[in-house]
Amino acid sequence: QSVLTQPPSASGTPGQRVPISCSGSSSNIGSNPVSWYQQLPGTAPKLLISSNDQRPSGVPDRFSGSKSGTSASLAISGLQSEDEADYYCAAWDDSLNGEVFGGGTKLTVL
Amino acid sequence: EVQLVESGGGLVQPGRSLRLSCAASGFIFDDYAMYWVRQAPGKGLEWVSGISWNSGSIGYADSVKGRFTISRDNAKNSLYLQMNTLRAEDTALYYCVRGGYSYGPGYSFDYWGQGTLVTVSS
Repeated sequence: QSVLTQPPSASGTPGQRVPISCSGSSSNIGSNPVSWYQQLPGTAPKLLISSNDQRPSGVPDRFSGSKSGTSASLAISGLQSEDEADYYCAAWDDSLNGEVFGGGTKLTVL
Repeated sequence: EVQLVESGGGLVQPGRSLRLSCAASGFIFDDYAMYWVRQAPGKGLEWVSGISWNSGSIGYADSVKGRFTISRDNAKNSLYLQMNTLRAEDTALYYCVRGGYSYGPGYSFDYWGQGTLVTVSS
């Protein structure tokens, strides 16, 4: 059971906009910035969004992040086949004194 | 180019020990906190442990506390994870991960190694 809650799956057709939610609590998302990671099949995770809504260099602007209270969201617009991957949210948890991850959302491009 | 290369994984019997290493290059190693994150086969990501640049701050997940020890050698640009009393549930791909300038909240994990597989089985 993950500390952060994500839907196990999401899907969309090419060109669509797909949101992925991440729910936490006051000790993690409510207190600290959220990161999002993309894990393509058979590869290591890659940082997609830092500090709630910041895209590292090289990440397309189709990816955007937001946070409100104890929840966060990743949105992928203009969905492409290469976006098919697992997506994880993460944040530091002040009570556990460690980083916590969501269970991951498997995105399928139909 | 930032590179993190893990080694030391393998097949080990329950109750035995294993030491993982991570060789870092392409950045000033002792400027950054470093972490270990694992992923059991077919499962999600789990934070295991972290260490500040000067080893002054260290943390462990409850699942490994008392059994695993993280350390670093800044002169060798290396991160380590000593894993004792291994259990079947420790079976996972272990990633070496770069954090931020400070240990703890406020920084993302911006670079990941390719991982080293630890299998605990009799």
